Amino acid sequence: GAGVSQSPSNKVTEKGKDVELRCDPISGHTALYWYRQSLGQGLEFLIYFQGNSAPDKSGLPSDRFSAERTGGSVSTLTIQRTQQEDSAVYLCASSWGLARETQYFGPGTRLLVL
Amino acid sequence: KQEVTQIPAALSVPEGENLVLNCSFTDSAIYNLQWFRQDPGKGLTSLLLIQSSQREQTSGRLNASLDKSSGRSTLYIAASQPGDSATYLCAVKGASGGSYIPTFGRGTSLIVHP
Repeated sequence: GAGVSQSPSNKVTEKGKDVELRCDPISGHTALYWYRQSLGQGLEFLIYFQGNSAPDKSGLPSDRFSAERTGGSVSTLTIQRTQQEDSAVYLCASSWGLARETQYFGPGTRLLVL
Repeated sequence: KQEVTQIPAALSVPEGENLVLNCSFTDSAIYNLQWFRQDPGKGLTSLLLIQSSQREQTSGRLNASLDKSSGRSTLYIAASQPGDSATYLCAVKGASGGSYIPTFGRGTSLIVHP
């Protein structure tokens, strides 16, 4: 079946604008993670969703970042009033569950804030 | 707080060599450890997942071992090929504190030259 997809693949925006990044997980996967990968840095956890439970938002770097997951499937990561330091690759991953299951990653969205 | 270290940071070898990549972690209370590869400009591809109760996993020319008590995992690549060139990441999913947040290492950048 289809893997995890993300859109757009690339996004260039001006400082101060809002952006929305989309993730379509593998069908049936109940867990969905968002990560950020900056140049020269490791993967930084942002947020995860599991089924209908409250998301774990502990990795969001500021209140400009938010995410939602509609109908237990598609997720959108929103960054308000973008800053240059938000430039990074944003990766989404999904899995059957949270604890012991393999994570499958999408190709990422490359965000550049000018 | 879980910390994951990967050694070496970079490796360049001739084709045909057998390789060992190392991953160490500080908190042995884990659900699992997962090895990924990342090609330039791409997302992460899962290679092997080792549950906390397992000692090793094998897939083709890849073998990953886990020594939870010493906080170490190794990824063994047999008979390396130029197509193995990529960055290899390990991720540990901790079992402390009721959270399911994976911690990633910075990766080992591998170049296999013909």
